[in-house]
Amino acid sequence: GENVEQHPSTLSVQEGDSAVIKCTYSDSASNYFPWYKQELGKRPQLIIDIRSNVGEKKDQRIAVTLNKTAKHFSLHITETQPEDSAVYFCAASTGSGGSNYKLTFGKGTLLTVNP
Amino acid sequence: DTAVSQTPKYLVTQMGNDKSIKCEQNLGHDTMYWYKQDSKKFLKIMFSYNNKELIINETVPNRFSPKSPDKAHLNLHINSLELGDSAVYFCASSQSTEAFFGQGTRLTVV
Repeated sequence: GENVEQHPSTLSVQEGDSAVIKCTYSDSASNYFPWYKQELGKRPQLIIDIRSNVGEKKDQRIAVTLNKTAKHFSLHITETQPEDSAVYFCAASTGSGGSNYKLTFGKGTLLTVNP
Repeated sequence: DTAVSQTPKYLVTQMGNDKSIKCEQNLGHDTMYWYKQDSKKFLKIMFSYNNKELIINETVPNRFSPKSPDKAHLNLHINSLELGDSAVYFCASSQSTEAFFGQGTRLTVV
């Protein structure tokens, strides 16, 4: 089955700096790669996602890149703010829904943005 | 107007008891899941149902029995609770890609 590795497990940055979280996946059939943010005591929520036919996607201060050949994908947060502090999860899935759909999560990165 | 709702939010119970967690989604999604988040925050899939049919069972002990009376509901019943079952359990639903999570149920077994 799919295996998703995520690094680092903790990341501390100063406000205004950039943060990068990296993930690798094992199943070359995976074609959908979402990133979830989980604030303390809250549910995971999607912040950005990318499909395998796209190399990069950006949404304001957040960007995700995908290297299918190397089976790597990364989350980039620029101009970090204290409210970006949370646990971030990468995930990978195969199939486009229904019976083939399964999200496998990385182990999470605790991001702390220091004011 | 909650999309995925699960009850209860907190559950404290003694070892050996049987308990249930309920989940409902009003998004019209075909697929629903149960995830377990342990103390180290690792999110691990337990079950996946598509249109009331079990699709994925990730080697979860038989003490855990999901039930889907219709595609909008996926309940989780746990028999003979053990200390190691203490965790946050998240229900989620999806149609094709994005998974929407419930608010979680923090289960504490004492």
